[in-house]
Amino acid sequence: KQEVTQIPAALSVPEGENLVLNCSFTDSAIYNLQWFRQDPGKGLTSLLLIQSSQREQTSGRLNASLDKSSGRSTLYIAASQPGDSATYLCAVCADDYKLSFGAGTTVTVRA
Amino acid sequence: NAGVTQTPKFQVLKTGQSMTLQCAQDMNHEYMSWYRQDPGMGLRLIHYSVGAGITDQGEVPNGYNVSRSTTEDFPLRLLSAAPSQTSVYFCASTHLTTDTQYFGPGTRLTVL
Repeated sequence: KQEVTQIPAALSVPEGENLVLNCSFTDSAIYNLQWFRQDPGKGLTSLLLIQSSQREQTSGRLNASLDKSSGRSTLYIAASQPGDSATYLCAVCADDYKLSFGAGTTVTVRA
Repeated sequence: NAGVTQTPKFQVLKTGQSMTLQCAQDMNHEYMSWYRQDPGMGLRLIHYSVGAGITDQGEVPNGYNVSRSTTEDFPLRLLSAAPSQTSVYFCASTHLTTDTQYFGPGTRLTVL
């Protein structure tokens, strides 16, 4: 059974600092890995999707890396802003489209 | 496009009652799924469907039924609600060639 772990569970940084969020998974036989953002009381919004054959994906200030062999992914958010405050979820996808989620990292960016 | 819609947003049930959580998508996605989210835990897969007429169980299917009569709709039925089913329920859909999963806004269910 795939286990996904996100450390730390919570993170508080001053505005402008770079954010580094970690995700680890136990089974390297994955189809893709996705990072989601969840605002309080809301649904999930997909941020980045990395296919198993890729090493990284970038979108604006966001960059996600994938090291499948070591079972790790890292989400970098450059120059954080208060609007980046949210919970970030990592999800590993098997080839049957089932997602295994981590518990998330709750980020607070202080103005 | 409305994306993925879910109704109701909030629901309170008494133990033993039944109800249906509605989910619809207008993106013509083949794959749809239901997850539950509990505090301190990741989302867990309840049931999923790869197309109309095809459903299968996920990680935590007990106490729930699904059907998929059309591509657009994927309702989740609670047969006899229990307090352990108090949770936030999310429906998701994905196009099988793009892989990105789109989530609905969720239904917050409380079972007393």
